[in-house]
Amino acid sequence: DTEVTQTPKHLVMGMTNKKSLKCEQHMGHRAMYWYKQKAKKPPELMFVYSYEKLSINESVPSRFSPECPNSSLLNLHLHALQPEDSALYLCASSPPDRGYGYTFGSGTRLTVV
Amino acid sequence: AQSVTQLDSQVPVFEEAPVELRCNYSSSVSVYLFWYVQYPNQGLQLLLKYLSGSTLVESINGFEAEFNKSQTSFHLRKPSVHISDTAEYFCAVSLNTGGFKTIFGAGTRLFVKA
Repeated sequence: DTEVTQTPKHLVMGMTNKKSLKCEQHMGHRAMYWYKQKAKKPPELMFVYSYEKLSINESVPSRFSPECPNSSLLNLHLHALQPEDSALYLCASSPPDRGYGYTFGSGTRLTVV
Repeated sequence: AQSVTQLDSQVPVFEEAPVELRCNYSSSVSVYLFWYVQYPNQGLQLLLKYLSGSTLVESINGFEAEFNKSQTSFHLRKPSVHISDTAEYFCAVSLNTGGFKTIFGAGTRLFVKA
C-alpha cells in the first residue's frame, strides 16, 4: 500500500460546527504532516508529527487541533472555524529520512459557511 | 533561512514542444531538492528529487531536472510535452541536516495547448 488516504473528500461546515478530518497511511512512515493550501498557492505547513509526537506547530490557531492516535492515523479536529479557513487540507507522510520526499493524500476540500 | 523562487507563474506551450520550468533556491547549508506535480483537484505527487551524486535526475514520465550548484538552480525540463502534462508544478527544498520543514516555491502552472 503506497497511498495516503484522506476522508472526507469534501466538507461543508458552519462556523459553530465541530468536525474532524482523517488521514491514514500504511507505508510505515513515522512522520506525518498537515498542510493547508489556498487556491493557486503552494501548500503551507501546519503541523508535523514524528513518531506520534507533535514536532512542529506553525503557530496555527487553536481552532485547529491535531491528533495522532497511532503511527498510521492522523486527525485534524476543527471547531469554530472562520470562512477564511476554507481551503484544501492536505495530509502527507514520509520516512524520518528527509531525502525520501513526501507522499501526499488527495486532500479534503473544506468550505466554511 | 532557505527560500525557493519559481521564476514563471504560468508557462503556456504547444503539445510536443519542449518546456523548461525554472527554479532557484537560496540556502546557507546543503539541501535536498524536489519537484512535485499537482493535477486539478488532487494532492501533490513527487516527480523527482536530487539528493547527491549525478546532477541530472530523471522521472519515469520523461521529465528531467539538473542541479546546478554554482547557479543554485534546479530547472525542470521535458523535450516533448503532452496535453496530460497540464498541471501545477512546485519546486521544493528541505534541509539534509535536520528538521522536518520543506519549503515550497510559489508554483508554475504548465498549460499545454493542442
